[in-house]
Amino acid sequence: KAGVTQTPRYLIKTRGQQVTLSCSPISGHRSVSWYQQTPGQGLQFLFEYFSETQRNKGNFPGRFSGRQFSNSRSEMNVSTLELGDSALYLCASSSGDTLNTEAFFGQGTRLTVV
Amino acid sequence: DQQVKQNSPSLSVQEGRISILNCDYTNSMFDYFLWYKKYPAEGPTFLISISSIKDKNEDGRFTVFLNKSAKHLSLHIVPSQPGDSAVYFCAASARRRIQGAQKLVFGQGTRLTINP
Repeated sequence: KAGVTQTPRYLIKTRGQQVTLSCSPISGHRSVSWYQQTPGQGLQFLFEYFSETQRNKGNFPGRFSGRQFSNSRSEMNVSTLELGDSALYLCASSSGDTLNTEAFFGQGTRLTVV
Repeated sequence: DQQVKQNSPSLSVQEGRISILNCDYTNSMFDYFLWYKKYPAEGPTFLISISSIKDKNEDGRFTVFLNKSAKHLSLHIVPSQPGDSAVYFCAASARRRIQGAQKLVFGQGTRLTINP
């Protein structure tokens, strides 16, 4: 069974630009969550999508958005990039069942904003 | 407000001995706890989990203990092996809350080093 796939692995963008990251969950998983990891803040929850709907949201500004497609693949978009957005962005896949919380992570996309 | 805390940023243990990683939480709504292991440049790997209705869960060399009254959990690794050297994160979720199951709140992580 293939794991969680995130593309691209590395990205360098300039302040003010926008970026789109992609995540393909484990086959059969309907929930995709996004996390930001920075040295200072650790792993922070961004949002979760289930059946193409945003089901849960963390405390990030509106510049961070996402969507999920009918095949459960998800994209995350960050607009008007700031230097502080430099981070490892992780996608997690799970079945989405309320009682099954084990989330399986991809390798992440390392975003550098210059 | 750090709802999940791992107060030890690092831990060094000799190979073959027991490694004990600790985690404290403040939110009484949390009812499911997980431990993840992370190598550099990789995503976290799920290790073991425990529901709040239990106080212990064991899987091979890994055992997680939960003390609900103290809002404390710990991960025991025995015996420790060099391949266990990584950053360990504890995470919590509130499954009883509507749609709260998938939102994991992570601690800051503890870097475990196993010395030969």
